[in-house]
Amino acid sequence: ILNVEQSPQSLHVQEGDSTNFTCSFPSSNFYALHWYRWETAKSPEALFVMTLNGDEKKKGRISATLNTKEGYSYLYIKGSQPEDSATYLCAFLYGNNRLAFGKGNQVVVIP
Amino acid sequence: NAGVMQNPRHLVRRRGQEARLRCSPMKGHSHVYWYRQLPEEGLKFMVYLQKENIIDESGMPKERFSAEFPKEGPSILRIQQVVRGDSAAYFCASSSMDPRPGNTIYFGEGSWLTVV
Repeated sequence: ILNVEQSPQSLHVQEGDSTNFTCSFPSSNFYALHWYRWETAKSPEALFVMTLNGDEKKKGRISATLNTKEGYSYLYIKGSQPEDSATYLCAFLYGNNRLAFGKGNQVVVIP
Repeated sequence: NAGVMQNPRHLVRRRGQEARLRCSPMKGHSHVYWYRQLPEEGLKFMVYLQKENIIDESGMPKERFSAEFPKEGPSILRIQQVVRGDSAAYFCASSSMDPRPGNTIYFGEGSWLTVV
C-alpha cells in the first residue's frame, strides 16, 4: 500500500507570514509528484508537476522543491494572503498512470 | 477553454438504484481517470481509460461498478444497486497524454453521490 503523508494536517497562518508544509512519499520507482490547490466546491487546481530530483518550481508566491532520494517535497507560500486559504494536495504518480494522494494540508490565512 | 466537466454535481439515490456519473474531458484530451473520495479519506484511484479502452481498472470494486469512455460522448461511471457505502465524491480527471512523462492531470469539480 502506497503511503503519501502530508504534514501538518492543518495550519493557521497570519496574513503576510510565510509558511511551508511537507509531503513524504515512497522513494523507489519514482515517476512524478503532483501538487494541487483545492478550494471547497471547486476542482483541484494543478499547481506543479515535479519529475526530477532537486526540482524547484514557482508560481507566484507559491513554490515547491523535490527530493526523490529521500522521498519528500516541500511547498512554500511566501507572504500568505487570505486567497491562499485552501487545501493543498500532493499526489505521487505510480504504476505509470495512477495518483496516490495524501490527505492534504489545510491552510487558513487569518486576515 | 472549458475544463473537465462533470454532471450531475449532486445525485441522491435510494439503495438498490443505479447511479450514472458523466465526465467530459478537456478539449483534446483522450485520457480519462476516475477517483473517489470517501468521507475522511483522500482521493483514491479507480480507473484509467483511453477512448474506447479501459487501461487500468485496478482501483475499481469488482462488482456493481463499471466505466466506459466511448468514441463519441462523455465517459460514464456506472454504479449498479447502490449501497450506503457508495456515498462519496467521485472525481473525473483528464490529460492530453500518458501521465508518465510528468504531464498535468486536470480534475473536474466532482459529483457527490448520496445513497439514502
